Amino acid sequence: AQSVSQHNHHVILSEAASLELGCNYSYGGTVNLFWYVQYPGQHLQLLLKYFSGDPLVKGIKGFEAEFIKSKFSFNLRKPSVQWSDTAEYFCAVNPDMGRRALTFGSGTRLQVQP
Amino acid sequence: SAVISQKPSRDICQRGTSLTIQCQVDSQVTMMFWYRQQPGQSLTLIATANQGSEATYESGFVIDKFPISRPNLTFSTLTVSNMSPEDSSIYLCSVDPRGQLYGYTFGSGTRLTVV
Repeated sequence: AQSVSQHNHHVILSEAASLELGCNYSYGGTVNLFWYVQYPGQHLQLLLKYFSGDPLVKGIKGFEAEFIKSKFSFNLRKPSVQWSDTAEYFCAVNPDMGRRALTFGSGTRLQVQP
Repeated sequence: SAVISQKPSRDICQRGTSLTIQCQVDSQVTMMFWYRQQPGQSLTLIATANQGSEATYESGFVIDKFPISRPNLTFSTLTVSNMSPEDSSIYLCSVDPRGQLYGYTFGSGTRLTVV
């Protein structure tokens, strides 16, 4: 079965620090990849997505992610985090076009200290 | 992108009772998805609901426990039946409005506590 692994469960950073959250998936075929963010008390919001083309994807709020097919990875990055980035981040994969639903990773809780 | 109105936003229910969660979308969508997010865990797909057909359930979820209705292209309900404390979770609906994976939209979730 397909799975998505997020290795960092809880990350604590100071403002202006750089961020990289890991995401690996287990599926050998073509995949669509997503990062979602869930701010405290709010619903899931799409940060960025990758379907094809340039493996470096830019999203909202200064986030970007790089798809490395050989490593089955789709890591999320931000060069300088802000206190307002405190949230839960979820990586998600859609490896089966017929199934259409997303498979989510376990999530990473990011805490940015002022 | 589509806007989803999900209600109730939260509820506290007695064990053995049932709760129906509603999701209303502001545009017509083919597929709606229902997820569960247990405390401290990720989202797990419960079922996929297509209009005009029976919902497709994932392993570990059954229709008797989580009956789903999809009467039209903008609305769906999920019922959590005969609840137990283990059903305490956040339940979310989601749609892929353009049908081409341009970005799944999620409802705000229903936080269910079973006592």
